[in-house]
Amino acid sequence: EVQLVESGGGLVQPGGSLRLSCAASGFTFSTPWMDWVRQAPGKGLEWVANIKPDGSVKHYVDSVKGRFTISRDNAKNSLYLQMDSLRAEDTAVYFCAGAIYGDSVDYWGQGTLVTVSS
Amino acid sequence: QAGLTQPPSVSKGLRQTATLTCTGNNNNVGSQGAAWVQQHQGHPPKLLSYRNNNRPSGISERLSASRSGNTASLTITGLQPEDEADYYCLAWDSSLSAWVFGGGTKLTVL
Repeated sequence: EVQLVESGGGLVQPGGSLRLSCAASGFTFSTPWMDWVRQAPGKGLEWVANIKPDGSVKHYVDSVKGRFTISRDNAKNSLYLQMDSLRAEDTAVYFCAGAIYGDSVDYWGQGTLVTVSS
Repeated sequence: QAGLTQPPSVSKGLRQTATLTCTGNNNNVGSQGAAWVQQHQGHPPKLLSYRNNNRPSGISERLSASRSGNTASLTITGLQPEDEADYYCLAWDSSLSAWVFGGGTKLTVL
């Protein structure tokens, strides 16, 4: 059974940093592209970043470029999102997701809440 | 980064058919196709259709996806109470090198 379990969310002050983790199991983690998607309270889904299976290619939404860094450790079956210079508008539930069996994000974690507030 | 366009809400009666639309451009929906996810309140999204319009395993045959030009559609037949949810389309934008989502459609089953 495919499982994606996020951790690392919490309350952080504006300008602060946070590192999210996603532990994957039930599939060959080194195979698919992996993504982070977020959802602000009461709002729609927003794609944040993704990373190629070997980690050599990364893409980001414009609003997080230069502040967030996506990475993965295939030996540890883990995906990460380092978030720096956090802003109030980064407050959201962050989902780990992957295009595991097809060409679109077909598996999602339960999400972890990040709150940026003073 | 411009997103895809979806109607904010659609209301249909029990056992009726609902068609949800998603409009993009030649860089995303028109060339890359669109996937569809469903999200119930308080739950993570669930993929309903891949970009090639195929359903993942376990998704009801009452759902079907299609595309015409820059507009993708998701049709749900025989609406049931459990179909009441938010539906989002998403597509890879080759000019942005980014996934883009639609704003979501809230489907109400009357």
